[in-house]
Amino acid sequence: SAVISQKPSRDICQRGTSLTIQCQVDSQVTMMFWYRQQPGQSLTLIATANQGSEATYESGFVIDKFPISRPNLTFSTLTVSNMSPEDSSIYLCSVASTGYEQYFGPGTRLTVT
Amino acid sequence: DQQVKQNSPSLSVQEGRISILNCDYTNSMFDYFLWYKKYPAEGPTFLISISSIKDKNEDGRFTVFLNKSAKHLSLHIVPSQPGDSAVYFCAARINQGGKLIFGQGTELSVKP
Repeated sequence: SAVISQKPSRDICQRGTSLTIQCQVDSQVTMMFWYRQQPGQSLTLIATANQGSEATYESGFVIDKFPISRPNLTFSTLTVSNMSPEDSSIYLCSVASTGYEQYFGPGTRLTVT
Repeated sequence: DQQVKQNSPSLSVQEGRISILNCDYTNSMFDYFLWYKKYPAEGPTFLISISSIKDKNEDGRFTVFLNKSAKHLSLHIVPSQPGDSAVYFCAARINQGGKLIFGQGTELSVKP
């Protein structure tokens, strides 16, 4: 399985500001994903980060709010823009293996005040 | 529309006994099912998976059963250990794009 790291591990931000979360993988992967887990909720896919092209967003998520970069096959960033308290969540990146499994990073715990 | 459902938010089991976690789904297009374990402040850890063309997959103490006609899968852990205490998520893969759809999770507590 791939080793995935995320930065920062946690942050407390003021409303109206933006935070960029980094995801680094120790091997080249084709597919990377960004998920959100709101307090007491399940994991919800935000978008699929495609290398060399724009990310593919799920219903309810838009690029202006959650811009994503994927400059190469080992790295991606997710920005949470113009934050509100409703954006307080754990943000997780994951990668798809050559099989069917997905492996997750440790997550970034975001609190918006 | 909740396509993957875990109807039991919590489960308590005695150490050494069997833990059975259940998951129901509605979308017949799912081709692969996975179970993850999650500790607080950590990302989900992959446990075991099963293809939609199989009805059972076993890995050590963990066995996943799939009943396609009932659109139901279950994870059996035997024997249960206190270290198994965590939140367990089932997830299903859409056969295009690789994205996963998760259930709400079941918090398992294994008592010594």
